[in-house]
Amino acid sequence: QLQLQESGPGLVKPSETLSLTCTVSAGSISSSTYYWGWIRQPPGKGLEWIGSIYYSGSTYYNPSLKSRVTISVDTSKNQFSLKLSSVTAADTAVYYCARTSVDPDYYYYMDVWGKGTTVTVSS
Amino acid sequence: QSVLTQPPSASGTPGQRVTISCSGSSSNIGSNTVIWYQQLPGTAPKLLIYSNNQRPSGVPDRFSGSTSGTSASLAISGLQSEDEADYSCAAWDDSLNGWVFGGGTKLTVL
Repeated sequence: QLQLQESGPGLVKPSETLSLTCTVSAGSISSSTYYWGWIRQPPGKGLEWIGSIYYSGSTYYNPSLKSRVTISVDTSKNQFSLKLSSVTAADTAVYYCARTSVDPDYYYYMDVWGKGTTVTVSS
Repeated sequence: QSVLTQPPSASGTPGQRVTISCSGSSSNIGSNTVIWYQQLPGTAPKLLIYSNNQRPSGVPDRFSGSTSGTSASLAISGLQSEDEADYSCAAWDDSLNGWVFGGGTKLTVL
C-alpha cells in the first residue's frame, strides 16, 4: 500500500528557508496518473494548499505563497521536496505531503496523505 | 479566511443524522467536484468523499456527499462516537488555479 513520509527539520529560524522532503514508498512517483503536493495546517486552523508537482517537473503553486515556494521532484529517489523561503512565525504549521489522483471524468482529488511533520519557526 | 465556508462546529447524539455544509463560488464548487476529509485529533486528513459523492473503499455508507450549485453537504447517518472529528471540504478553484479548503467543522457526538 502506498505510503508517504515527510522529513526535515522541526525548527527553522525566522528569515531562513524551510526544507522538507516527502518519500514515496510502495509506489512510483513517476506514474503518469498522479500529482504530488504539499499542504499545511497552522495550529488550530484549516488546511492550506501550498503547491503540487507532476513527475515531469511541472508545478502549480498557491498564488499567496508563490514568491517563496519551490517544489521539486527527484524520480531517482522517489521523492519530492518543498522549499519555503523567508519564513516567519506565520509559517509554523504541520506540513503534509499528499498524492493527487484523478477520477474517470478527469476530476482530481488528494487521496493518500503522509502523517505530517510539525515545523516551528522561532529563533 | 478560508475560500470555502464551513460552520465551525456541529453536534449530534448517537444514531442521529447530521449534515455539514460547505459554501463556495462558481470558480470552485460551482465548476469542480468536492472532496471531504475526516481528521481525527492529531492525525492526518483521511479521504472520506471524492467526486462529490463517491466513497473510497472502506468508508462506511453512513457517509454521503451531495452538491447543489455552489454549495456542498456531507451527511452522516447513524452517528457513532468514533465519528467525532474535524471535517473539511476541498475543491479545485479555476480562478486561483489551485486547491482551496474549508476552515473545517468540529463534530461533537453528545
